[in-house]
Order: sequence, then structure tokens, then C-alpha cells
Amino acid sequence: QQQVKQSPQSLIVQKGGISIINCAYENTAFDYFPWYQQFPGKGPALLIAIRPDVSEKKEGRFTISFNKSAKQFSLHIMDSQPGDSATYFCAASTNTGNQFYFGTGTSLTVIP
Amino acid sequence: GAVVSQHPSRVICKSGTSVKIECRSLDFQATTMFWYRQFPKQSLMLMATSNEGSKATYEQGVEKDKFLINHASLTLSTLTVTSAHPEDSSFYICSATPNFYGYTFGSGTRLTVV
Repeated sequence: QQQVKQSPQSLIVQKGGISIINCAYENTAFDYFPWYQQFPGKGPALLIAIRPDVSEKKEGRFTISFNKSAKQFSLHIMDSQPGDSATYFCAASTNTGNQFYFGTGTSLTVIP
Repeated sequence: GAVVSQHPSRVICKSGTSVKIECRSLDFQATTMFWYRQFPKQSLMLMATSNEGSKATYEQGVEKDKFLINHASLTLSTLTVTSAHPEDSSFYICSATPNFYGYTFGSGTRLTVV
């Protein structure tokens, strides 16, 4: 059973546009929600993360929006750039251990 | 920041041979490390949880005798793919948590079995 559901599977955005990737979860025990960025042939790297006590977190062009009641969170990439082209994974974990549950990934392509 | 070093980054081996992949936490101690497998354009599939000083915990469907994991110290975990076959060709990634709210990945190892 997929603990974290991610959509879309792929996304094509024009340079300067907004990229939006969505994730949903069921386990209300999750209390940490990170996003990872992965370039081809590299391991994933932490991009930004949020805890459920806030509804939004912004770091530069990257923003996480969190809706606790809907059990959904999303990544917004403002002013998308070709260098943002990568695969993005959402994830979730609980405070009882350190295992993370990953979404299925979104392949983002930003067209110049 | 926390760094996880993975070596080698690429390896090509002949069918039937064994390959060892190392995962090191460079600036923190990791009692637990994780090993993932990733197929092209797919998500991360957790293979096993490596525990320092004890046996690894394998996910359902992962062959323990095929994928040997050793976590002999607080900074080193190794994954050995034994008697490798072409279907074992994949991208293998390790990770560790330097603190509770952090999950650092290695750079991955591309294994090709010919």
C-alpha cells in the first residue's frame, strides 16, 4: 500500500511558470514532510521540509503548502527554470522512528 | 552539514561475481542506515534497514542471501550483491539520518551486470 500518493507523474512547464506537485497521505501519525530533488544519476537531496504545525513554508522560489485537515501537501516552484528540471519526491515520516515513506516521484521538465 | 558518502559511483561486473557497495556517514554517527534500489524513472524502493551491530531488516521480497548487508561500525554500512545477474542491474542508494528530522542520501551506485 502506497503510504504517500504523489501526482502528477510528469510535468512540463515553461520557463518562468509555476510548477505544482501534489502529495496526499492517510497516516495521521506522520509529522514531517520533506521534498527531495533528484538529478539523473545522483542521489536525492533534501529541498525543503515542513511540519504540520504550520500551513506554509517558503525558501526562495520553493514553497510547501500543507493542509492538515485534507492530509495533503504540495510543492510550488515559482519562476521555474530549466535548471529545476529533475525528479521530485515527497515523503513523510513519524516521530517514532526514522523510516521515511516516499511518493512515486514527479519528473519535471522546464522548457526554455 | 551531514554528508553520506557512497562508493563506488559506478561499477560494471560480470555475471556471477559479487560486488560490494560502501556507505559512510562522514560527519555523524549512524546507528541505522537504509538501502534503496531505484529503477529508471521510478521511485525509491526500500530494500533493507541496516542496524549497527545487529542483523539488517529486509523488506518483503528482498533476498537476504542475494543482498548481504553489514553495518560493522557507526559510520559504515556495506551492501554486497552476491552472484550478480543482469536483473540486479540498477541504481542503489543508501541513506542515514543525522538527526531525527533529516534524511541524507548518498550519491548512489550504478550497477551494471554484463
